[in-house]
Amino acid sequence: AQKITQTQPGMFVQEKEAVTLDCTYDTSDPSYGLFWYKQPSSGEMIFLIYQGSYDQQNATEGRYSLNFQKARKSANLVISASQLGDSAMYFCAMREAGGGFKTIFGAGTRLFVKA
Amino acid sequence: DAGVTQSPTHLIKTRGQQVTLRCSPKSGHDTVSWYQQALGQGPQFIFQYYEEEERQRGNFPDRFSGHQFPNYSSELNVNALLLGDSALYLCASSLPVRGSTDTQYFGPGTRLTVL
Repeated sequence: AQKITQTQPGMFVQEKEAVTLDCTYDTSDPSYGLFWYKQPSSGEMIFLIYQGSYDQQNATEGRYSLNFQKARKSANLVISASQLGDSAMYFCAMREAGGGFKTIFGAGTRLFVKA
Repeated sequence: DAGVTQSPTHLIKTRGQQVTLRCSPKSGHDTVSWYQQALGQGPQFIFQYYEEEERQRGNFPDRFSGHQFPNYSSELNVNALLLGDSALYLCASSLPVRGSTDTQYFGPGTRLTVL
């Protein structure tokens, strides 16, 4: 069964430093997609970055990069040069090609950026 | 470019009542998914609509039903409300790409409180 695990309930980072948010997943489907979303206190889920299971390169989007280690089934989000506005909940999510159209989410990690 | 919109923003109901939540997808998108996010948890998939049909459903009772209109907007209906239905309800839209690669874009959510 597909599953997403985020083991860090909360993380602190100093402004301008880099931070890594952990995500491990479990699936038997060889074709799947991994997503990271940011949820500020306003509630809206903001799409950050996508990684496909067959992608050879780690995905990058501006200050966000995804450290994809397929054999270890991990998809950690790296945020470089943290900003105060990065303080939010971050969710890792997955969709299996054979699982239809359902996306499953982890429990999330709350990131606090300190000035 | 209009993003995903949801109404109302907040809603307070009492147990046993019925509620209807509304969603308009992002411009160019014709697929709508609904998620329930309880406090402190990740979103849980309720169902997805495409071509005015429910094409996949998560583990939610029949009290949860939906509809999609010809203009791709969607409604989520919840009957016989329970205290446990209190949550943030998120709507997400996407392009009709089959498989694991389609990215979902979320609206700001409707916060439902059941008293």
